[in-house]
Amino acid sequence: SYILTQPPSLSVAPGKTATITCAGNNIGTKSVHWYQQKPGQAPVLVMFYDSDRPSGIPERFSGSNSGSTATLTISRVEAGDEADFYCQVWDGNSDHWVFGGGTKLTVL
Amino acid sequence: EVHLLESGGGSVQPGGSLRLSCAASGFTFNFYPMSWVRQAPGKGLEWVSTITGSDESTYYADSVKGRFAISRDNSKNTLYLQLNSLRAEDTAIYYCAKVPGAEKYYFDYWGQGALVTVSS
Repeated sequence: SYILTQPPSLSVAPGKTATITCAGNNIGTKSVHWYQQKPGQAPVLVMFYDSDRPSGIPERFSGSNSGSTATLTISRVEAGDEADFYCQVWDGNSDHWVFGGGTKLTVL
Repeated sequence: EVHLLESGGGSVQPGGSLRLSCAASGFTFNFYPMSWVRQAPGKGLEWVSTITGSDESTYYADSVKGRFAISRDNSKNTLYLQLNSLRAEDTAIYYCAKVPGAEKYYFDYWGQGALVTVSS
């Protein structure tokens, strides 16, 4: 089955840039989607098809995908961005939806 | 406004059964595939199952195939998940999630979740 690998944690100072990675075999050939989950809340879609932002998501959030790594970038990080972030793809070989293990973003 | 409300969670003994429901509103329910995603305590997200809008096709994670059954009643705008032969490792919050359309493979709206606890 297809595996997505994310760093378990990332710490960033306010105002700096957070770069959250999601690694997978030839992930650049797949569409990657990202979710933000704050403590005690349901996940929220923050990026779809690699780099499309849903309405209501700040322009500070951007995404890219190439080769073996997809990236979610959050510019000018704010305290309110602190959350767990998950990448997700669809594995057409197995008809399975696959999530990465998640990255806990801490704003220092 | 899209709204998804799960119900039916609770505590059950290993080997037992439970049925989760998800009441949907704010969109034309039968147009959209729907899914269940779960999250064990302190763990990450795990996709469980998806059903197409017309109910023609269903998909399951290997960990639940043969034990769980997804279904929908489009006349009631409700999604279901029948959980059978439950194990301790099925303990999780179960989220209902909407898929934005056929041939789309992500989740654009999520419910608040229903907690299922499997314990003796």
